[in-house]
Amino acid sequence: ILNVEQSPQSLHVQEGDSTNFTCSFPSSNFYALHWYRWETAKSPEALFVMTLNGDEKKKGRISATLNTKEGYSYLYIKGSQPEDSATYLCALGNTGKLIFGQGTTLQVKP
Amino acid sequence: DTEVTQTPKHLVMGMTNKKSLKCEQHMGHRAMYWYKQKAKKPPELMFVYSYEKLSINESVPSRFSPECPNSSLLNLHLHALQPEDSALYLCASSQEVSGGAIEQFFGPGTRLTVL
Repeated sequence: ILNVEQSPQSLHVQEGDSTNFTCSFPSSNFYALHWYRWETAKSPEALFVMTLNGDEKKKGRISATLNTKEGYSYLYIKGSQPEDSATYLCALGNTGKLIFGQGTTLQVKP
Repeated sequence: DTEVTQTPKHLVMGMTNKKSLKCEQHMGHRAMYWYKQKAKKPPELMFVYSYEKLSINESVPSRFSPECPNSSLLNLHLHALQPEDSALYLCASSQEVSGGAIEQFFGPGTRLTVL
């Protein structure tokens, strides 16, 4: 059974703070790591799909890194804004399945 | 159109009812998925359809019956559900089922309550 862990479970930051979260996963038989952003009552939105060890991806103020040898990925948000408030999910992609972590819920206070 | 739509948004049903959840995409994707998310838990895969054929069933009880009438539509037929089946049901689609690196596009989900 593949286990994907995310930390912290929740995070409260002030507008303008930079923040980061962690996703941990088994390093064996790795295919891909997905990051999703999920706002309440909306569809989960794909942020990144990462496959290579050492991969770094960026979308605006959000970036992610991947270490497949030690089994973790970091998601960074620079200068958090209230509209960044959401749950951030990582998921291990494996033979057509996504195996999700429990998510990190971010609340950005103005 | 990069949207996956799901209907209804909310559904309340009794344990003896029969109901269906619907999912639609017009992105030309050939893989479609059902996930279930219970409160404070991560989404869990239920079924995968590839080219309109069921390719993965994650040991889901037979009271959940998926159907893929064509490449754009995915249904989930519900019958004799239990209160513990109350959850958010998410539909997703992707270009195809391949390894694990294909992006999946999600709908907003149907919030199901079983009384």
